[in-house]
Amino acid sequence: GENVEQHPSTLSVQEGDSAVIKCTYSDSASNYFPWYKQELGKRPQLIIDIRSNVGEKKDQRIAVTLNKTAKHFSLHITETQPEDSAVYFCAAVTTEGFMRFGAGTRLTVKP
Amino acid sequence: DGGITQSPKYLFRKEGQNVTLSCEQNLNHDAMYWYRQDPGQGLRLIYYSQIVNDFQKGDIAEGYSVSREKKESFPLTVTSAQKNPTAFYLCASSIKFLGELFFGEGSRLTVL
Repeated sequence: GENVEQHPSTLSVQEGDSAVIKCTYSDSASNYFPWYKQELGKRPQLIIDIRSNVGEKKDQRIAVTLNKTAKHFSLHITETQPEDSAVYFCAAVTTEGFMRFGAGTRLTVKP
Repeated sequence: DGGITQSPKYLFRKEGQNVTLSCEQNLNHDAMYWYRQDPGQGLRLIYYSQIVNDFQKGDIAEGYSVSREKKESFPLTVTSAQKNPTAFYLCASSIKFLGELFFGEGSRLTVL
């Protein structure tokens, strides 16, 4: 089945710096890759997603890139702010037909 | 106010007891899911349902059971067969299967 590996598990950056979180997947048939953000004590929420017919997608300070050949995709956050501090999860659709999540990255933005 | 509601928020159970977690949505979503969240392990899928009266096992279904008799409701029963049931459980729904997931606030189960 699909394996989704996410790195790093924790990431600490200074406010204003960029943050990059990377995920790899094993199933070349996967075609949908969402990213969810979970703030402390809150429910996960979708922040951006990308489909396999697109190489990059951007939404203000957040962007996701996809390399289908290498089977990895990344979340990029520019000009980080304290409110970006959260746990971020990547996911990929499996051959079994459901989404499998990475283990999560705890991002801390220091003011 | 549309949304997805889980109850109870906190639950304590003695070993050997079954417990049922409630999940209700009024978003008119077809698909519903149960995830388990443990520190350092992300979100692991227990069961999912694409449509009423149908459900499928996810990655960690052993020791759990579900039903989907109504579109709005997808309760999860944690049985005594689940070896390590203490965890945070998240219910989610999506308009269609594999669409954007909308999560409930979660239920934290502690087995004493």
